[in-house]
Amino acid sequence: DQQVKQNSPSLSVQEGRISILNCDYTNSMFDYFLWYKKYPAEGPTFLISISSIKDKNEDGRFTVFLNKSAKHLSLHIVPSQPGDSAVYFCAASEKGAQKLVFGQGTRLTINP
Amino acid sequence: DAGVIQSPRHEVTEMGQEVTLRCKPISGHDYLFWYRQTMMRGLELLIYFNNNVPIDDSGMPEDRFSAKMPNASFSTLKIQPSEPRDSAVYFCASSLFPAGGYNEQFFGPGTRLTVL
Repeated sequence: DQQVKQNSPSLSVQEGRISILNCDYTNSMFDYFLWYKKYPAEGPTFLISISSIKDKNEDGRFTVFLNKSAKHLSLHIVPSQPGDSAVYFCAASEKGAQKLVFGQGTRLTINP
Repeated sequence: DAGVIQSPRHEVTEMGQEVTLRCKPISGHDYLFWYRQTMMRGLELLIYFNNNVPIDDSGMPEDRFSAKMPNASFSTLKIQPSEPRDSAVYFCASSLFPAGGYNEQFFGPGTRLTVL
């Protein structure tokens, strides 16, 4: 029972173009969403988050969009750089909950 | 701060042996989480502690797995006996959860476990 799903195991994008990573969730009680980035042989590191009271949050080249009616969020990276090549995890939590529920991850490769 | 520290970084063992993974959380953090990463299921929460007390162990796969947190600066995850299907990367994470706020967790580098 996967409450958070990342249906694309991998994504390949040319340097300088936009990368769009997608995430779907099923639990309507989720109200906080995060993206984590993971390099090989390292632990995941926090990238950006969004609360359910917003539909967009931007931090430099990274923007997260939330569509609550569709239970869908996406991470946009513009422009994509080689250093963005990593595995990206989507995560969600219910209000006041300490647990994060993670998706399976999407491996992003930025080609020069 | 040194961040979350995990040891060992790599562990290779034979089926049936006991395995102990170790974690030192960030000083001052009151929550500690153990995760397992697999290709099929991504990051799965196994168990988490608050102020050294286990709160939710519903993710622990079976009785072969156990976790302890004897003090605020140390936790262990033990597998006894180990099986090949336990092969995965195990992460420890910690957080300081503000009242009414949201939870950003800080992860250690992980332990890659291989059970032959």
